[in-house]
Amino acid sequence: EPEVTQTPSHQVTQMGQEVILRCVPISNHLYFYWYRQILGQKVEFLVSFYNNEISEKSEIFDDQFSVERPDGSNFTLKIRSTKLEDSAMYFCASGPQYEQFFGPGTRLTVL
Amino acid sequence: AQKITQTQPGMFVQEKEAVTLDCTYDTSDQSYGLFWYKQPSSGEMIFLIYQGSYDEQNATEGRYSLNFQKARKSANLVISASQLGDSAMYFCAIRSNDYKLSFGAGTTVTVRA
Repeated sequence: EPEVTQTPSHQVTQMGQEVILRCVPISNHLYFYWYRQILGQKVEFLVSFYNNEISEKSEIFDDQFSVERPDGSNFTLKIRSTKLEDSAMYFCASGPQYEQFFGPGTRLTVL
Repeated sequence: AQKITQTQPGMFVQEKEAVTLDCTYDTSDQSYGLFWYKQPSSGEMIFLIYQGSYDEQNATEGRYSLNFQKARKSANLVISASQLGDSAMYFCAIRSNDYKLSFGAGTTVTVRA
């Protein structure tokens, strides 16, 4: 059964550094998403992506964040100049239209 | 804006028994979807079940069923014949017209042998 995959599973970075989180959505899906979950808290929507552009973004998704679909398979989240409060689990999700299937997540730790 | 309320922070259930997890929602959208996800201690988010707002029948997926009461704005998850592997955090979520999901705070389920 096809799955959403994410790499790396865990990323440790220094405050102020840039990180790129990578996702490979399920191949025939058209809608892509990033969510984050700060430890012990609920899952929060960051951004949705459809037809090669951002369709919706939350207040959290400020200029520090960007997304790209550089080729036909990858979907990346870039965080510029990371802050301590960016430490969280970041989930990629993809779906045909109404459903959303999540990847295993990348745990980002900012020191 | 959409809002999900899960009022049970934690629940215990005996193995082989059924458990109901509560979820109420608030939305101004006419068309929406309701989801349940399972998050085990390993951290991944596992899709369990989906209910569209116009679906007249309650969704079922194996041991999972969704008790959808539209007038009461509730979408409770029923897990039948609980297994030890069901111990996890369970999140209810609502999909709005722009397709993003809004999650509740979650309910931790612990299955006792």
